Amino acid sequence: AQKVTQAQTEISVVEKEDVTLDCVYETRDTTYYLFWYKQPPSGELVFLIRRNSFDEQNEISGRYSWNFQKSTSSFNFTITASQVVDSAVYFCALNTGTASKLTFGTGTRLQVTL
Amino acid sequence: NAGVTQTPKFRILKIGQSMTLQCTQDMNHNYMYWYRQDPGMGLKLIYYSVGAGITDKGEVPNGYNVSRSTTEDFPLRLELAAPSQTSVYFCASSTQGRHEQFFGPGTRLTVL
Repeated sequence: AQKVTQAQTEISVVEKEDVTLDCVYETRDTTYYLFWYKQPPSGELVFLIRRNSFDEQNEISGRYSWNFQKSTSSFNFTITASQVVDSAVYFCALNTGTASKLTFGTGTRLQVTL
Repeated sequence: NAGVTQTPKFRILKIGQSMTLQCTQDMNHNYMYWYRQDPGMGLKLIYYSVGAGITDKGEVPNGYNVSRSTTEDFPLRLELAAPSQTSVYFCASSTQGRHEQFFGPGTRLTVL
């Protein structure tokens, strides 16, 4: 069975601080994909990144970066110099199998204040 | 492209009523999904479809039904609504092989 754990329920930071959101996953499949989605207060789900199990290279996109480590089954997400607009719930998700079904973590609510 | 659209945005049902949540995508995606999101929780898969005429159960299918007669549409039917079905419902779609899912804006359903 697949499982995604986001142990941090809620994080509060002051603007310009760096923050890391943790994600630990479980799967027996050797081929899988990991995702991060953002859910702002307006409620929609915004895709941020996809990483496949064969590519452990870290990725940076502007103020966002992702650290994928198969050895610890983790796919952590760091926001550098956080901004108020980063306030949202962030979900980590795991995709295995041919039907592309996603297993979501319970999310981490990030609150960025001035 | 409108992407994935869902109607209605909000709905209040009485216990025992039925309704259909509509989902349409214009990206010619083969794969479509229905999720529910309960307060403070992640999304859970209700049903999914890998193409027109093919549907299968997800993690929490009880109390729901789906059909997929066209590539574009994937309606979710609630029969005999119960308070436990109060949730936000998201429809999503993806291309075969790409795995990235595109989500609709959601339908907030309250059953009283």
